[in-house]
Amino acid sequence: IVMTQSPATLSVSPGERATLSCGASQSVSTNLAWYQQKPGQAPRLLIYGASTRATDVPARFSGSVSGTEFTLSISSLQSEDFAVYYCQLYNSWPPTWTFGQGTKVEI
Amino acid sequence: QVQLVQSGAEVKKPGASVKVSCQISGFPFINFHISWVRQAPRQGLEWMGCISAYNGYTNHARNFQDRVTLTTDTSTSTAYMELRSLRSDDTAVYFCASLSGGGEFDYWGQGTLVTVSS
Repeated sequence: IVMTQSPATLSVSPGERATLSCGASQSVSTNLAWYQQKPGQAPRLLIYGASTRATDVPARFSGSVSGTEFTLSISSLQSEDFAVYYCQLYNSWPPTWTFGQGTKVEI
Repeated sequence: QVQLVQSGAEVKKPGASVKVSCQISGFPFINFHISWVRQAPRQGLEWMGCISAYNGYTNHARNFQDRVTLTTDTSTSTAYMELRSLRSDDTAVYFCASLSGGGEFDYWGQGTLVTVSS
């Protein structure tokens, strides 16, 4: 299964809404997570199960799914949200994990 | 709280091996499934493999099946990733991460930079 993220780079102004996409090459489960990564840091879990926010993640982050297309939305971008975002799919058998190539959200 | 602390940066020559450790605290070690993920410079994330601290069961990504060995030491709550026959394109930051129930990685180590250079 290939996970394709789009766009590769998203230029957004603070306060605006950002919409990031992650498409699967075939029908998949909703075991899809989103991560945020800032330079020099480990990834941080934002969303799991396609739409559940992880602990302490602000409500401006939301996830959704339609068919094989997953979406991460950030309702009103804050300065600390400029980062690279990765989607990740878990396939239960055989157990494998696949990351998308990432979307950079820049000012 | 759960913490994953990795060993320090390594510099290796091509053909050598490297072993990176990941010590886990804050929760009983045997409850963990630990995955290893690497990130080459300015590149994305690549899953390498996973090990159960409970029974030692491992699963590897196809790209690493022949070169990676994952182990755990329950006496020190530490997971290890050994990568053999290093090449220059193995230069990357290697992360350990704990696996949560739905297949997501909820806690991450700080990363270990492995540089392969002659």
